[in-house]
Formats: sequence, structure tokens, C-alpha cells
Amino acid sequence: KNEVEQSPQNLTAQEGEFITINCSYSVGISALHWLQQHPGGGIVSLFMLSSGKKKHGRLIATINIQEKHSSLHITASHPRDSAVYICAVPKSSGDKLTFGTGTRLAVRP
Amino acid sequence: DAGITQSPRHKVTETGTPVTLRCHQTENHRYMYWYRQDPGHGLRLIHYSYGVKDTDKGEVSDGYSVSRSKTEDFLLTLESATSSQTSVYFCAISRDRVHEQYFGPGTRLTVT
Repeated sequence: KNEVEQSPQNLTAQEGEFITINCSYSVGISALHWLQQHPGGGIVSLFMLSSGKKKHGRLIATINIQEKHSSLHITASHPRDSAVYICAVPKSSGDKLTFGTGTRLAVRP
Repeated sequence: DAGITQSPRHKVTETGTPVTLRCHQTENHRYMYWYRQDPGHGLRLIHYSYGVKDTDKGEVSDGYSVSRSKTEDFLLTLESATSSQTSVYFCAISRDRVHEQYFGPGTRLTVT
């Protein structure tokens, strides 16, 4: 079973701050997912990455396969970034995901 | 946005009644998933499908059954609802085995 740990569980930031959310997992994987859950409940896939770094707008995701660790960075944070950010990794079969419990981010104006 | 809808979006039902939730996609994706989300837990897989009539259990499948008779529809049935099945249910789709998953809007189910 691949355990997924996210930190911190809760994070409050001021608008404009650089934010980092961390995800660690216990078993080697082929790819890692980052998801965003809006306050209204909708879930959006942000990234799927298997190596290195991906960037989309102000969001950057990095992964270190050897260290079994990924980070999600938000540059120039904005109140609209307030959401729960979820990390997920595949089980050994590859067709199912194990999800972390999420990091709740609040960005204050 | 991926074309995924769930129905109903909200439902209140009584203990012991059967309930069916529907997930409909217009993307022709092969994989479809049913998850439940509860406070203090990550999303947990109930059942998933890897093709028409091909389904398998997830980690919390007890008390649930599924059917997929068409590519676009994946039904989740609670044969006899219990209060422990009060939850938010999400459907997701994926083009293939190791691809991004796209989520439906969710169904909030309350069992009284």
C-alpha cells in the first residue's frame, strides 16, 4: 500500500506570498497527481508529473523520484488560490490512486 | 472542462432504501471511478470500471454495487442505504490507465 503524507495540513498566507505544499509517499511510482478542490467542492486536476518540474501560470510542481517527494509552489498568491490541494499517487496496479488528506490553504487579502 | 455530469446533485434518503447515483461522460474515456469523500479522510475509491461491463472493487466497496452497460454511463447503487454512507460522492474519468483523472461535480447524499 502506498501511503501519502501531505504537509502542512493547514496553511494561512498573506496575498502575494510564495507558498509551498509538500507531499511524500512510501513506494516508488510512475507519476504523481496534484489536484485542487475549490471551496464549493469541485475538484480539478492541476498536474500529473513523473519527473522534474511542470509550470502552469503561477503554479509550479516539482518531483524528486529518488527522495519520494513532491512539492507544489504557488507564486504571488491570491485569495482566489484559497482551496484544498490534494496529492495522489498510483497504487502498484497503476489504475487506482491513493489520495492524501489534503492541505487547506487560505490566502488573506 | 471534461464533460462529466452526476445526478442527482443532492439527495436525502431514509435508512434501508435503495439509492442509485448516475455518472455520465461525453469524453469517451475508458476508465470511470466512484469515490466517496468524508471529513478526515482522503478521497476513497469505492468501485471503478475499465470498460463496458468491466468493473472492480476499490478499498471501500462493501454495501455498494456498480454497473456500466454503456461507455458513457457508470451507475453506483446502494442496495440498502445506511447512515454510514452519508457522504459526498465523486465520479471521475480517465482516458486510460495512467492518465489524469477528471472529476464530476459531486453528489451530496444524506441517509437519515
